[in-house]
Amino acid sequence: QLQLQESGPGLVKPSETLSLTCTVSGGSISSSGYYWGWIRQPPGKGLEWIGNIYHSGITYYNPSLKSRVTIAVDTSKNQFSLRLSSVTAADTAVYYCAGYCSSTSCYRISQNYGMDVWGQGTTVTVSS
Amino acid sequence: EIVMTQSPATLSVSPGERATLSCRASQSVSNNLAWYQQKPGQAPRLLIYGASTRATGIPARFSGSGSGTEFTLNISSLQSEDFAVYYCQQYNNWPITFGPGTKVDIK
Repeated sequence: QLQLQESGPGLVKPSETLSLTCTVSGGSISSSGYYWGWIRQPPGKGLEWIGNIYHSGITYYNPSLKSRVTIAVDTSKNQFSLRLSSVTAADTAVYYCAGYCSSTSCYRISQNYGMDVWGQGTTVTVSS
Repeated sequence: EIVMTQSPATLSVSPGERATLSCRASQSVSNNLAWYQQKPGQAPRLLIYGASTRATGIPARFSGSGSGTEFTLNISSLQSEDFAVYYCQQYNNWPITFGPGTKVDIK
């Protein structure tokens, strides 16, 4: 059973770069067929999709964040990462990593389509 | 970008009653629509995908319907553990987009 765990600093200064890592356990990041991605949730607000990456390196980003976001995958460590540059207070949120299944290869593992595996979330505060 | 809207914003329901939540897409998403449940302090949980298929382990009291631009999530008899926020999400097109959520609280 796939499990995800976010890690990274809980406090980032304005104008700096937020960096988070998601470690995948219970399966291979490159052979499971999932798109790996990030979703965030500002305090008291709804869910905002940030972006996804396939193990081949293909990425999809939220247009509103695209100029500041980089998602990368490290298959040797079974991890993927998020970098968000030039942060402001508006980037304060709980950041979740998640696996999104849209292919038969991941469906064979999970028996679900959609975002069926999530990390527990990590709170990132942008403040000086 | 496909914009998702949900109604109502808050739904007050008594335990044992039926809850009906609506989700609308700004353009057709076929049946590429998922529903998620989120409780305070927890990550979202996948309930429904393909507009009407329950995810693994989801009780039968949860059902989804619709296609194109109009979708519905029904909870047939609300249990105490069902009081939460529910989000719809389209994955027919990139970027993936979520609705703003419907909070189901105790009447």
